[in-house]
Parts: sequence; C-alpha cells; structure tokens
Amino acid sequence: EVQLLESGGGLAQPGGSLRLSCAPSGFTFSIHAMGWVRQAPGKGLEWVLSISGDGGTAYYADSVRGRFTISRDNFKNALYLQISSLRVEDTAVYYCVKAAYSPNWYWDYWGQGTLVTVSS
Amino acid sequence: DIVMTQTPLSLSVTPGQPVSISCKSSQSLLHSDGKTYLFWYLQKPGQSPQLLIYEVSTRFSGVPDRFSGSGSGTDFTLKISRVEAEDVGIYYCMQTMYLWTFGQGTKVEIK
Repeated sequence: EVQLLESGGGLAQPGGSLRLSCAPSGFTFSIHAMGWVRQAPGKGLEWVLSISGDGGTAYYADSVRGRFTISRDNFKNALYLQISSLRVEDTAVYYCVKAAYSPNWYWDYWGQGTLVTVSS
Repeated sequence: DIVMTQTPLSLSVTPGQPVSISCKSSQSLLHSDGKTYLFWYLQKPGQSPQLLIYEVSTRFSGVPDRFSGSGSGTDFTLKISRVEAEDVGIYYCMQTMYLWTFGQGTKVEIK
C-alpha cells in the first residue's frame, strides 16, 4: 500500500524558514518523480514544485521560485521541501504527491498533508 | 500558463441522478505523443485529493464505473452516472501538458 507521510509543518513568522519532510512507503521511491501541492485554507489546489526520480530535474512554480527548494534522498527514502522567506500567503496545507511511473508526471497518490501557518 | 476553467462551481444533486462537470483548458492538452494530459481528482470532506481519472478517460484503480471522463483538445467532461452519498466533495481537473495547473474546483453536494 502506497503511503506518504508528511511532517514539519507548524507556525512560522513572516520571513522565517521551515523544512517539510515526506516519508514514502509501499513503492520504489527512487524511480518515481515526486512533488508538493498546496492548498490555502478554503481554497483550491496549487502545484508548487516537482522533482525527478533521480533528483536531477526540478520544476518550480513562479510563486515560490527562489524561496522554496525541493530535494530528495533516495538512500533515506525521503522527500524534502525547504521553505524560506515565508510570506503570509504561503499559509496552506502542503501535500506530498507521488507521480505515476509514466513519462508524464501526474499525481496518483497524495499524503494527508501538513499545515504551515505563517503569522506574526 | 495553461488556465483551467471548471463549470459549474457548485451543484446540489439528488442521489441516483446524473452529474456532469465541465473543464476547459486555455490551450490544447493533446501531446505530440498522442496522449491528452487531462486528469480528474475528488477531494472528499476532510481528506486529501484522490485520483479518479487519468488521460481524459481511464479510471484509476478502484474507481467505480459510474465515473467516466470524456473530451478532447480543450474541452473535457466528468460524468457520474448515478450520484451516491459518498461522491460528495470537490472535483478538480488538472492538466500536465505544461507544468501542472488545476481548475478552481466544483463542489458537489447531495440534496
């Protein structure tokens, strides 16, 4: 059974930093692209970052470029999201998502999400 | 950027009745590989989104056959043949032709 377990969310101040983690299980992590999708309170879904299975290719949404960094450790079976220069508008549930094994990266499994609240 | 527009944004339906949700993209989602990169998700209340349909019309594992997807190019439709109480939630379309963008979501409630 595929599981994605996020952690690291919490309350942070504007301008601050956080590191989110995702612990995957139930599939061969190293061959699947992964990503992060966020959802602000009461709002829709917004893709923010993706990374290839080998970690060599990453894509960033314009809204987070230069502030968010996605990385992965295939030996530790872990996905990370480093968030810096936090803004109030970054407040959201952040979902770890797994891509199907396909040339096209679409999200077939989602974690339960971790809430990031940015407030002074 | 590819913009995804869903209609309606909400609907209230009687159990057993059909439902149709439209999703239009600002650019064609037909790739040179012959596939069309349009996907449907359902986010049930208090839960994470779950994949329903991939590449326009293929149901994901475990998805009931009352769900069907159709369309081509820029116009797509998700249909539920007979709505059940467990189908309540917000339905999102998503494109992967260029990066990833979602529609605004369509909230489905049961009368």
